[in-house]
Amino acid sequence: DTGVSQDPRHKITKRGQNVTFRCDPISEHNRLYWYRQTLGQGPEFLTYFQNEAQLEKSRLLSDRFSAERPKGSFSTLEIQRTEQGDSAMYLCASSLGTGRNTEAFFGQGTRLTVV
Amino acid sequence: AQTVTQSQPEMSVQEAETVTLSCTYDTSESDYYLFWYKQPPSRQMILVIRQEAYKQQNATENRFSVNFQKAAKSFSLKISDSQLGDAAMYFCAYRTSTSGTYKYIFGTGTRLKVLA
Repeated sequence: DTGVSQDPRHKITKRGQNVTFRCDPISEHNRLYWYRQTLGQGPEFLTYFQNEAQLEKSRLLSDRFSAERPKGSFSTLEIQRTEQGDSAMYLCASSLGTGRNTEAFFGQGTRLTVV
Repeated sequence: AQTVTQSQPEMSVQEAETVTLSCTYDTSESDYYLFWYKQPPSRQMILVIRQEAYKQQNATENRFSVNFQKAAKSFSLKISDSQLGDAAMYFCAYRTSTSGTYKYIFGTGTRLKVLA
């Protein structure tokens, strides 16, 4: 396993369109996170899964955002009716939730540009 | 709610010199984890070093070490013998150990420039 994989790496979309991003975590990791990062800022938490259960969602995640993790494996993040303010890097991370294992491994991100 | 503050937007260091990046955090919890992550330009974020709050001993990883002051809620990163490859954004992060809430909270980052 080569790490957390995100697809696509870049996405340009017109305002109002829907987009979907995919994240494949490290295979044995049961925890999966989505973050959003804008230029010059730190990652902002969006949502967190433990296995297939979505345990926490940020208030930043409006109704236009939805995330799923069917069968506790890969995850998708969908943004409906995109707005220019959605332009950002979307980061996925995973971790192994046992004992005091704490390191989150990050993917390379999906850069979204809404025009 | 927990917060993480990095007050140095940018730092510079001469190659082979030592630099310290600052981080403070706010929490009411007693057990938690602190991290420093490195994000090189256009590359993915990688873990530099981790500290468990219940451990008094400061963590070290080769040229990287931390100064963890729990009472002061301070967690600084020292990079010794700086190398050109250390140039990156550095993010301080906090994670609770409370069951059910495992999100990481990041600071705004410090951009480190290494001068040859």
